[in-house]
Amino acid sequence: QITLKESGPTLVRPTQTLALTCTFSDFSLSTSGLGVGWVRQPPGKALEWLAFIYWNDYKRFHPSLKSRLTITKDTSKNQVVLTMTNMDPLDTATYYCARDFDFWSGTLDYWGQGTLVTVSS
Amino acid sequence: QSVLTQPPSVSAAPGQRVTISCSGSNSNIGSHYVSWYQQLPGTAPRLLIYDNEKRPSGVPDRFSGSKSGTSATLGITGPQTGDEADYYCGTWDFSLSAWVFGGGTKLTVL
Repeated sequence: QITLKESGPTLVRPTQTLALTCTFSDFSLSTSGLGVGWVRQPPGKALEWLAFIYWNDYKRFHPSLKSRLTITKDTSKNQVVLTMTNMDPLDTATYYCARDFDFWSGTLDYWGQGTLVTVSS
Repeated sequence: QSVLTQPPSVSAAPGQRVTISCSGSNSNIGSHYVSWYQQLPGTAPRLLIYDNEKRPSGVPDRFSGSKSGTSATLGITGPQTGDEADYYCGTWDFSLSAWVFGGGTKLTVL
């Protein structure tokens, strides 16, 4: 059964760097076409795509957040890590990890339960 | 302001058919596949439709998707109270080089 689970801090201070880990099971990120990445959702607002990394180490980033984002994978551990620098209260959101099962069509077929990150001093 | 435009809310009586629209442009919907996601209250999104019209296994055939030009539509036949949720469309935008979502539509079953 494919699962994804997010882990990381629930509270971050402004200007700090956020690091979130997605640990997944029952598939490998070395499989051609697959990707894993992050989508966030501020309270009461819409989904916002952030960044994805693919089986061949290709990376896609939200254009306006690209300078603040880093995404890496550890295929042996079935983990993907997202870091976001210079956190701001506007970055308060639930952060979801998701699998993209087709690089060309971009379909997020499995999602984690999400983790709420609050940015506050 | 989302790149993809959805109505904020729709409502339907059980047994009716309801549609949710997603309007975009040639750089996104007009050039790429559309997927739809259902988000029940307090839960993570769930894939409902992909490649414009395909349903993953486990999704009831009450849900359907279509695309024409720069717009896509999610249809729900005979909505149930358990279908009350937020629905999001998503696709790739070639101008932005980014995946984009609609603003979401809240479905209420009367």
